[in-house]
Amino acid sequence: SQQGEEDPQALSIQEGENATMNCSYKTSINNLQWYRQNSGRGLVHLILIRSNEREKHSGRLRVTLDTSKKSSSLLITASRAADTASYFCATDQTGANNLFFGTGTRLTVIP
Amino acid sequence: DTEVTQTPKHLVMGMTNKKSLKCEQHMGHRAMYWYKQKAKKPPELMFVYSYEKLSINESVPSRFSPECPNSSLLNLHLHALQPEDSALYLCASRPTQRQNQPQHFGDGTRLSIL
Repeated sequence: SQQGEEDPQALSIQEGENATMNCSYKTSINNLQWYRQNSGRGLVHLILIRSNEREKHSGRLRVTLDTSKKSSSLLITASRAADTASYFCATDQTGANNLFFGTGTRLTVIP
Repeated sequence: DTEVTQTPKHLVMGMTNKKSLKCEQHMGHRAMYWYKQKAKKPPELMFVYSYEKLSINESVPSRFSPECPNSSLLNLHLHALQPEDSALYLCASRPTQRQNQPQHFGDGTRLSIL
């Protein structure tokens, strides 16, 4: 399968804490993207990191990419109840023309 | 609000019915996608259209029939569906199939097959 793996599957934290979720993939990629999905809604693009980048920031989000280990992490700092959602990594793989999604992490932020 | 609009939001149909899902975007994107998503699972790619031509069909059963009448509109025609086809159907678009671009998703159609 070309699908990525994410861990943990579920994460529950208190508001104000940081949340870290990890993504591993199997093949060569051009970029890796992170998406958020609120319950019953579509996916919202958060951040895209290219294969030649190691770290990227966007507001309270920090993404790292290690192509030698074929892994990425998403850090959400100072979490809020509104961050409660499922988070998916997705890879744009070399030679393919569509995204391959990871299994997802369900984040719950307790007020 | 999303820039990709899907209708209807909810659909309940019997196994002998024929219905269609509609997706519309006005961002000038030339790549459009249909995904199927079951509860607590990632989206599964079904079809990709590029410049109004079918580019990828992920071995989807023929009871699902996609159509791209123009660059802004994508339809998914449904006929003789099975209960296991109940899912959230998501449409997405991006400027082209070329990589290094995010996809923009609609909020989906929640489909229930009786």
